[in-house]
Amino acid sequence: SAVISQKPSRDICQRGTSLTIQCQVDSQVTMMFWYRQQPGQSLTLIATANQGSEATYESGFVIDKFPISRPNLTFSTLTVSNMSPEDSSIYLCSVGGGLNSGNTIYFGEGSWLTVV
Amino acid sequence: GENVEQHPSTLSVQEGDSAVIKCTYSDSASNYFPWYKQELGKRPQLIIDIRSNVGEKKDQRIAVTLNKTAKHFSLHITETQPEDSAVYFCAASIGGTSYGKLTFGQGTILTVHP
Repeated sequence: SAVISQKPSRDICQRGTSLTIQCQVDSQVTMMFWYRQQPGQSLTLIATANQGSEATYESGFVIDKFPISRPNLTFSTLTVSNMSPEDSSIYLCSVGGGLNSGNTIYFGEGSWLTVV
Repeated sequence: GENVEQHPSTLSVQEGDSAVIKCTYSDSASNYFPWYKQELGKRPQLIIDIRSNVGEKKDQRIAVTLNKTAKHFSLHITETQPEDSAVYFCAASIGGTSYGKLTFGQGTILTVHP
């Protein structure tokens, strides 16, 4: 399976600030996605990170709040902007469609964010 | 869009018993159905998946069945062990240009008592 590294793994953030999360894969992948998991909840897709173009956002998520970059086939970033306590969640990168992942979707280790 | 319902929300079994978790989906175009196990403080880990051209798949103590007509799929864990205790999530994906976009169920907290 693909090896997916996320940074930071955990952070405590001040209200009103922004934080950028990085996702690095050890091999090229076709698909990269960002999910959010609020405390005690299931996973919700935020957006598809498209290589070389703007991300595709799901209903309820907007680019101004969650800007995403994907400069190449192994790397993506998600920024959580102007954070509020409601943004306290686990943010997960997922990948698929690569030599090491095939048609299976794998998740990174997650970034645990607490907003105070 | 796709909607996935998962039941039960909590499941408590004795070690050695079987556990079954069921999910239903709404979009008949869905064709990929993975199951993830999430232990406390960790990421979801894929434990088994099934595609719409297959009715059943087994991997040691874990099996998944799919009924496309009824639009439901189930996870079966036999001979449960305390280390099986975790939150289990089912998911569905339409595939094609939406490949990889997973819609998750609400999760099932499985507790296996020694």
